[in-house]
Amino acid sequence: DVQLLESGGGFVQPGGSLRLSCAAAGFTFSSFAMTWVRQAPGKGLEWVASISGNGGETQYADSVKGRLTISRDNSKNTLHLQMNSLRAEDTAVYYCAKYGIVVGVGSDHFDYWGQGTLVTVSS
Amino acid sequence: EVVMTQSPVTLSVSPGERATLSCRASQPISSNLAWYQQKPGQAPRLLIYDASTRATGISARFSGRGSGTEFALTISSLQSEDFAIYYCQQYNYWPPYTFGQGTRLEIK
Repeated sequence: DVQLLESGGGFVQPGGSLRLSCAAAGFTFSSFAMTWVRQAPGKGLEWVASISGNGGETQYADSVKGRLTISRDNSKNTLHLQMNSLRAEDTAVYYCAKYGIVVGVGSDHFDYWGQGTLVTVSS
Repeated sequence: EVVMTQSPVTLSVSPGERATLSCRASQPISSNLAWYQQKPGQAPRLLIYDASTRATGISARFSGRGSGTEFALTISSLQSEDFAIYYCQQYNYWPPYTFGQGTRLEIK
C-alpha cells in the first residue's frame, strides 16, 4: 500500500522558517513526481509546489515563489518543503501527494495524499 | 490561471437518492479533470481522474462526465459515508494546478 507521512509542522512567528518532510513507502518513489498542496483553516485546497521524479524540475505557485523550496531525497524516499520568510497567510495544513502517472511535472492528477501537517504562523 | 467554479456550494440530498455536482472551467481543459472527496479531519481522496475514470477502489456509485469546460460528478444511491466535501481540480494548464472551491454534500 502507498503510504505518505508528513512531519515537521508547528507554530512559528512571522518571518520564521520551518522544514516539512514527507516519508513515502509502498511505491518506487523516484518514478513519480510529487507535490505539496495546502488548506487554510476552513478553506479549500491550494496547490503549492511540485517536483519531478529526479528532482530536476520544480514548479511553484506565485504566492510562495522565492520563499518555499521543494526538494526530494530519493535515497531516503523523502520529500521536503523548506519554508522561509513565513507569513500569517501561510497558515494551513500541508499535504504531500503523489502524481498518478508521470515522472515529470505534467498534466496529471494526485492519486495518494498524506494525512497532512499543520503549520501555524502567528505572533 | 484556469478558474474552477463548483455548484452548488451546498447540496442537501436524502440517503438513497442521487446527487449531481457540477464543475465549470474558465477555459477548455479537455478531459484533464479530477474529483476528490474530503471528510472532516481527513486528507482528500481521489475519486475520478481524466474526467470519467474511477480511481482504484472507488465504488461504481461514483461516476464522472464532461469535457471542455463543463463537468459533473454523480453519486447514485447516496450512503451515509458519502456526505463530505467534493473538490474538482484541473491539470490541463499548469502552473498552477487549480481546484474548485468545493461543494458540501449534506444529509437532507
